[in-house]
Amino acid sequence: GQNIDQPTEMTATEGAIVQINCTYQTSGFNGLFWYQQHAGEAPTFLSYNVLDGLEEKGRFSSFLSRSKGYSYLLLKELQMKDSASYLCAVMDSNYQLIWGAGTKLIIKP
Amino acid sequence: DTAVSQTPKYLVTQMGNDKSIKCEQNLGHDTMYWYKQDSKKFLKIMFSYNNKELIINETVPNRFSPKSPDKAHLNLHINSLELGDSAVYFCASSQDTSGGGANVLTFGAGSRLTVL
Repeated sequence: GQNIDQPTEMTATEGAIVQINCTYQTSGFNGLFWYQQHAGEAPTFLSYNVLDGLEEKGRFSSFLSRSKGYSYLLLKELQMKDSASYLCAVMDSNYQLIWGAGTKLIIKP
Repeated sequence: DTAVSQTPKYLVTQMGNDKSIKCEQNLGHDTMYWYKQDSKKFLKIMFSYNNKELIINETVPNRFSPKSPDKAHLNLHINSLELGDSAVYFCASSQDTSGGGANVLTFGAGSRLTVL
């Protein structure tokens, strides 16, 4: 079966750095996506990785290791507005997205 | 101008009723989707249409029927609503399904369905 694992909930402090991990087992791999979803809102696209390595976008970076079936989303200089759920999704060999259940990130002052 | 718009935003109805949710995208995308997000926040694909043709039809009760009159619209009709249908339904679109950045999803704001 296909599976995406990510922690259910994490807590971090404003101004700090947090790393949200995602491990996957899928039938093939055509890329990994991270989305952010604030409570009561729609998911919005954050990042896409298809090759190994780190992709940086401002305060957010995403890392991929295909051999380990592993990715992480790194959030720096945390702000209160970063409190949200972060969804990891992998595109399988049929170009279908397999979604993780999301990690709820709580930022404390 | 909203990229992906869906209506209604909230829907409260009785068991057994039939309801529809409409979705429109103005991004010129070829592919549209319906997702269901339950109380545990897990996003589950229901249907996907590419240029008005059904390409993904997950294991969904046949009480759910999608309809795509053109590639900018994908509506969802639900017959004989049940308590378990209560969820947030998200419409989304992507450029196409060829992989990479073309598969980035733009979501609508969601339609919260409550069945009493």
